[in-house]
Amino acid sequence: QSALTQPASVSGSPGQSITISCTGTSSDVGSYNLVSWYQQHPGKVPKVMIYEGSKRPSGVSNRFSGSKSGNTASLTISGLQAEDEADYYCCSYARSSTWVFGGGTKLTVL
Amino acid sequence: EVQLVESGGGLVQPGGSLRLSCAASGFTFSSYAMTWVRQAPGKGLEWVSAIGASGASTYYADSVKGRFTISRDNSKNTLYLQMNSLRAEDTALFYCAKHMSSSSSPFDYWGQGTLVTVSS
Repeated sequence: QSALTQPASVSGSPGQSITISCTGTSSDVGSYNLVSWYQQHPGKVPKVMIYEGSKRPSGVSNRFSGSKSGNTASLTISGLQAEDEADYYCCSYARSSTWVFGGGTKLTVL
Repeated sequence: EVQLVESGGGLVQPGGSLRLSCAASGFTFSSYAMTWVRQAPGKGLEWVSAIGASGASTYYADSVKGRFTISRDNSKNTLYLQMNSLRAEDTALFYCAKHMSSSSSPFDYWGQGTLVTVSS
């Protein structure tokens, strides 16, 4: 149950697009289309932004999109806005019915 | 409105025990899997344990297996986490979260968390 690998930080200017990668193994990301992405603002509770790789819950902006290729999942945020500045965590279902999170990525909107 | 309210956190000595509770409301508790996730101060999220809707199936992270026990009382709409043999590295904010459906579905609602501090 090793943590998924995410970049520690990414940044972008308002209006730009950024992508956060999430690399796992054939035991988690590569084996299941069950990657979710969570947004966490400082001092706040995590919020699911993407689930099952590319699905958006009701109420989440379509500026957020997800994809997967092999053992790597990605979260793309287009049209960056100041309110998008937060920590982002990927999470994958893994064998033995467990879950594993990534280490988190701090998004800075310049 | 879905509400999850954790309680039971506090300061405990290494080797000690604590029982966390999560009171659920606003949804049919007995129909959904539930999970515990923790976050050490200034650190990332770590999945801890999950339990199926009926309580018959339970799952644990390797880091807590054999020390923590997840359970639920569907008649009381309450989720529990019994934590034994606590270590300093267990210090964290513990969140309970509701799965969208089964334990293979993501977490759509989270509580505000309860802080566990393991220190002498």
